[in-house]
Amino acid sequence: SQQGEEDPQALSIQEGENATMNCSYKTSINNLQWYRQNSGRGLVHLILIRSNEREKHSGRLRVTLDTSKKSSSLLITASRAADTASYFCATDPTYNQGGKLIFGQGTELSVKP
Amino acid sequence: DVKVTQSSRYLVKRTGEKVFLECVQDMDHENMFWYRQDPGLGLRLIYFSYDVKMKEKGDIPEGYSVSREKKERFSLILESASTNQTSMYLCASSDAVRGDNQPQHFGDGTRLSIL
Repeated sequence: SQQGEEDPQALSIQEGENATMNCSYKTSINNLQWYRQNSGRGLVHLILIRSNEREKHSGRLRVTLDTSKKSSSLLITASRAADTASYFCATDPTYNQGGKLIFGQGTELSVKP
Repeated sequence: DVKVTQSSRYLVKRTGEKVFLECVQDMDHENMFWYRQDPGLGLRLIYFSYDVKMKEKGDIPEGYSVSREKKERFSLILESASTNQTSMYLCASSDAVRGDNQPQHFGDGTRLSIL
């Protein structure tokens, strides 16, 4: 029952460039969250945006949310080799109980020095 | 900082064995989750628990059971391990707050191989 679809599946850029990842979902949500996963490790929460918010910033991260299109994007500015990781969006559907989130398949980002 | 600790990073077991994966969190979170992660399939929820002794099936509960006797500990049990259960297993916890579901905090995962 994965509802997040991420695009692209893989992205390769040079250090210093911006990286944009997109997430689409299907149902009404309370919030949408972005996570990062380094190879062989657990996921780390990056940022949460609520359904009544349109944009949120955290350091070099910028997240937008368009509830009319049921989509979100994550922008990483001035990327670094250390940003190489997989990035996942996760939605908190309004019908949910018990803290469940619905994770997308992820975008694999490679930043070349 | 929240810490979620999984008992093993790597584990090798044999087909038919009963396997226990342990997860402990130190932030008094009500919610705990077990996922498995496979290439091309993303994270799939196996079981979750929103209170001590409470459990709910996720998307792929078959072949698994769970135990939550204490708030801080959530155990995943493979009743009779099979080779198709070879995977990365991730445990997570989150706070229970009315309204939005809160961010989940993950352990570093257990890479389980069933031979």
